Amino acid sequence: DVKVTQSSRYLVKRTGEKVFLECVQDMDHENMFWYRQDPGLGLRLIYFSYDVKMKEKGDIPEGYSVSREKKERFSLILESASTNQTSMYLCASSSWDRKSPNEKLFFGSGTQLSVL
Amino acid sequence: DQQVKQNSPSLSVQEGRISILNCDYTNSMFDYFLWYKKYPAEGPTFLISISSIKDKNEDGRFTVFLNKSAKHLSLHIVPSQPGDSAVYFCAAGTYKYIFGTGTRLKVLA
Repeated sequence: DVKVTQSSRYLVKRTGEKVFLECVQDMDHENMFWYRQDPGLGLRLIYFSYDVKMKEKGDIPEGYSVSREKKERFSLILESASTNQTSMYLCASSSWDRKSPNEKLFFGSGTQLSVL
Repeated sequence: DQQVKQNSPSLSVQEGRISILNCDYTNSMFDYFLWYKKYPAEGPTFLISISSIKDKNEDGRFTVFLNKSAKHLSLHIVPSQPGDSAVYFCAAGTYKYIFGTGTRLKVLA
């Protein structure tokens, strides 16, 4: 069965702390994504990666960075956490080949981050 | 500038009746359209998708309709069940997806 695992379900951090959110997928997918979900705003794309060490900014990358050193792992980094980064963070992966695209995104269970 | 819009934040439907969730988009270059269901404190789960070359896709109780000229898609759930109560997100894109803001569906027993 397909699995995307996020390391923490709940995190509480202080303003200014450096925060790491980890995501691991076991499907050998090329693409990995970080979204955040906020009430009334839906899911917004922060960053995505289409290969190891490759990354692209999404719609709201400010205040975030990412790391993809291995194919199965995609980390989201908050360099200096702020209260407006309190949110539900969702990791997803997909396999996409131009000749036989698989359009599904598989999501992890999410990390609810509170920044105090 | 929101490229994918779900204009109804909530919808209530009686058990056994049809639920219709709507989604509008602005970019005619999107290749695929997806619907996801999300329960609180869980990640979204994939429901059904449709390619831009089709106008209908059906899977059990779920049917998605795509009207490219109107840049509109809809998800029909028939018959609706109390377990369908959740937030539904539509998404559009190719390898990278833009999500709508979601519609909270409540199915009343």
